[in-house]
Amino acid sequence: DGGITQSPKYLFRKEGQNVTLSCEQNLNHDAMYWYRQDPGQGLRLIYYSQIVNDFQKGDIAEGYSVSREKKESFPLTVTSAQKNPTAFYLCASSIGLGTYEQYFGPGTRLTVT
Amino acid sequence: AQTVTQSQPEMSVQEAETVTLSCTYDTSENNYYLFWYKQPPSRQMILVIRQEAYKQQNATENRFSVNFQKAAKSFSLKISDSQLGDTAMYFCAFEGNQFYFGTGTSLTVIP
Repeated sequence: DGGITQSPKYLFRKEGQNVTLSCEQNLNHDAMYWYRQDPGQGLRLIYYSQIVNDFQKGDIAEGYSVSREKKESFPLTVTSAQKNPTAFYLCASSIGLGTYEQYFGPGTRLTVT
Repeated sequence: AQTVTQSQPEMSVQEAETVTLSCTYDTSENNYYLFWYKQPPSRQMILVIRQEAYKQQNATENRFSVNFQKAAKSFSLKISDSQLGDTAMYFCAFEGNQFYFGTGTSLTVIP
């Protein structure tokens, strides 16, 4: 089955620790995205990548970092510099930027205490 | 700045009735795409319908249709014959140079 996987579904970390969220797709999509979802705020774009070895900041990139070493993978690291990291994180992919609908993973709920 | 506004945080509808969810957006671009996504309680986002801005004809997908008014920058979603499985958060989204989502409308279908 083609799709996007995110692991784990729930993640708990202590404050001050970096944590990496996994996102893998087997749809052969070029573009990948990371969103943060908070109650009442919809989805906010953190980073996106159009092709391998290239990525761009979204609206709320501060305190986050990404890499795109492989077409299939787009991991997100939440660093200790992110002031409010507890949130639901969604990864998505699309054929390309500009005109295509996005396919979403099941999400990861990160709780930092 | 490009923004997407959904002014109805919550709505409800009786099963089998019709409901319309509103969405407005702000952009200076001429060529763009608009989407409605559904997020049920499982939190899995699913595409409902898509509209190309250059097309005057409103998109339709089975019970779902849109009313796209480009000049007014309005993109509402109509759900006909509402079903219990339609209960979800609905997000309006704009794709131009970047991708923007509205804050969502929580729709409850009442049996």
